[in-house]
Amino acid sequence: GENVEQHPSTLSVQEGDSAVIKCTYSDSASNYFPWYKQELGKGPQLIIDIRSNVGEKKDQRIAVTLNKTAKHFSLHITETQPEDSAVYFCASAGGTSYGKLTFGQGTILTVHP
Amino acid sequence: NAGVTQTPKFRVLKTGQSMTLLCAQDMNHEYMYWYRQDPGMGLRLIHYSVGEGTTAKGEVPDGYNVSRLKKQNFLLGLESAAPSQTSVYFCASSYSVQGNQPQHFGDGTRLSIL
Repeated sequence: GENVEQHPSTLSVQEGDSAVIKCTYSDSASNYFPWYKQELGKGPQLIIDIRSNVGEKKDQRIAVTLNKTAKHFSLHITETQPEDSAVYFCASAGGTSYGKLTFGQGTILTVHP
Repeated sequence: NAGVTQTPKFRVLKTGQSMTLLCAQDMNHEYMYWYRQDPGMGLRLIHYSVGEGTTAKGEVPDGYNVSRLKKQNFLLGLESAAPSQTSVYFCASSYSVQGNQPQHFGDGTRLSIL
């Protein structure tokens, strides 16, 4: 089955800096790659996703890049703010998987004021 | 709209007890999922359903059963709770249109088995 590895497990940055979280996946049939943000005591919330037919997608301060050849994708957050502090999860799904997601282990992002 | 609602939010059980976790969604989604979240392991899929009356096993189904008698509800049952089932349980739902669609999550049920 699919395996998703996520790094780093913790990330600490100063407010205004950029943060990058990287994930690798194993199944070449995977074609959907969402990123979720989870705040304390809450469920994961989708922040951005990318499909295999594009290499990059941006939404204001958040961007995701995908390298299908190397089977890795990354989340980029620019101009970080204290409210960006949370746990971030990457995930992947294949074309015939009924949307079933395989998640990475999560990254605890701390943005210091 | 409430989105995805999970009940209860917290529960403490003794080993061997049974209980049912309820997930309700008001978005008319076909697909529903149950995940468990353990420290350092992300979320792992327990069972899922692609429509009313259907269920299927995920990555970690042992010790759990599910039912989808109504489209809007997905129930997760523990017949004989074990300490290894102490976890945070999340339900999610999504549309079933062609191609994978974003999943919407509830806020979880925190379950402790003593």
